[in-house]
Amino acid sequence: GEDVEQSLFLSVREGDSSVINCTYTDSSSTYLYWYKQEPGAGLQLLTYIFSNMDMKQDQRLTVLLNKKDKHLSLRIADTQTGDSAIYFCAERGSSASKIIFGSGTRLSIRP
Amino acid sequence: GAVVSQHPSWVICKSGTSVKIECRSLDFQATTMFWYRQFPKQSLMLMATSNEGSKATYEQGVEKDKFLINHASLTLSTLTVTSAHPEDSSFYICSASETSGNTIYFGEGSWLTVV
Repeated sequence: GEDVEQSLFLSVREGDSSVINCTYTDSSSTYLYWYKQEPGAGLQLLTYIFSNMDMKQDQRLTVLLNKKDKHLSLRIADTQTGDSAIYFCAERGSSASKIIFGSGTRLSIRP
Repeated sequence: GAVVSQHPSWVICKSGTSVKIECRSLDFQATTMFWYRQFPKQSLMLMATSNEGSKATYEQGVEKDKFLINHASLTLSTLTVTSAHPEDSSFYICSASETSGNTIYFGEGSWLTVV
């Protein structure tokens, strides 16, 4: 079945870039997403990439997709304290609209 | 602003009672909505796919008689937790997308505490 994996924790210094990695198994994925969840809150869609793209940039966010290796990454430039949250990678297959989530990566920012 | 709204945001109920959570798409019609459950410090687990005008499709291991889903209109799906127990305490999130949309929007989530 489909599976999405992420490392659980990432700690970066304020002002540095954060890179959160994700791997997935579904070769028929059509869209891949990054969501942000702050404590006690719902999910905020940060960005998404279509499977025929290999890069997407949106202000401080850069998404890289290696479809051959089924590897997705999210780079946050100039990381700020407000970026502290859990970041979920998710994929959407071609057969359904349901989204499969990774375990989430908790990003913490140190001064 | 939010395009998918959930209500209530917080609910506390007594063990053995039932509680209903609503999920509404505000700016679009959603033939399909999804219900997820999230335990503390864990990822979101898909519980069921809610289809307007037909029965929901439940994921393996989810009790359909315990988690009743009704999708009576194109903008509203409800999740009813029946005979709730403390182990049902969790964060429940719904999502929806437009029929031809690429983006799936999530509600703000509903915290359920069963005491």
